[in-house]
Amino acid sequence: DIQMTQSPSSLSASVGDRVTITCRASQSINNYLNWYQQKPGKSPKLLIYAATSLQSGVPSRFSGSGSGTEFTLTISSLQSEDFGIYYCQETYSSPPAWTFGQGTKVEIK
Amino acid sequence: EVQLEQSGAEVKKPGESLRISCQGSGYNFYDYWINWVRQMPGKGLEWMGKIDPRHSYINYSPSFHGHVTISLDKSISTAYLQWSSLKASDTAIYYCARSAYSRSSPFDSWGQGTQVTVAS
Repeated sequence: DIQMTQSPSSLSASVGDRVTITCRASQSINNYLNWYQQKPGKSPKLLIYAATSLQSGVPSRFSGSGSGTEFTLTISSLQSEDFGIYYCQETYSSPPAWTFGQGTKVEIK
Repeated sequence: EVQLEQSGAEVKKPGESLRISCQGSGYNFYDYWINWVRQMPGKGLEWMGKIDPRHSYINYSPSFHGHVTISLDKSISTAYLQWSSLKASDTAIYYCARSAYSRSSPFDSWGQGTQVTVAS
């Protein structure tokens, strides 16, 4: 199975800070990598798909980069509403196992 | 508007059976896989499996194969997740989510989640 490892597990940053979350795959997954945001008590929300494509309606301060085994999610200027847990997910494995990373909790200072 | 409407919270005893549902609306139900995702209390997301509404093909995660059954009622655009004998460790929130027919397709719309509690 493909393992997805996120770092850091949690972070605390101030409004306006640039925030970067990393996701590493145990083997190459090309660009089959998605990012989701989950707020407490809510369903996950798609932010970035295919490693770099911004989902419609998602603010442009969110961006994704990477390919192969290393990927990043960047929030260019953190806003108060960006708190929550961020998950990466691979959809490369076949037959599918479509593993999520363990999550990165983002808190606002 | 795309919607995935899930059935309500359930409280069951160990050994009981259960079926929860996910009804799609606002899109062509046959154009998207329906995925099931588990979130145990205070934990992360785990992909359980998916079903293809066109052909009813099912893929299960190895971690869940044999423990749950995914099924479909095309006539009412509804997917199901069911257990024949629940365990306390099945206590979790279960989400359904759609994804287009491609490995590169993300889960772009999610249900609101169904809380399943299994306790004696």
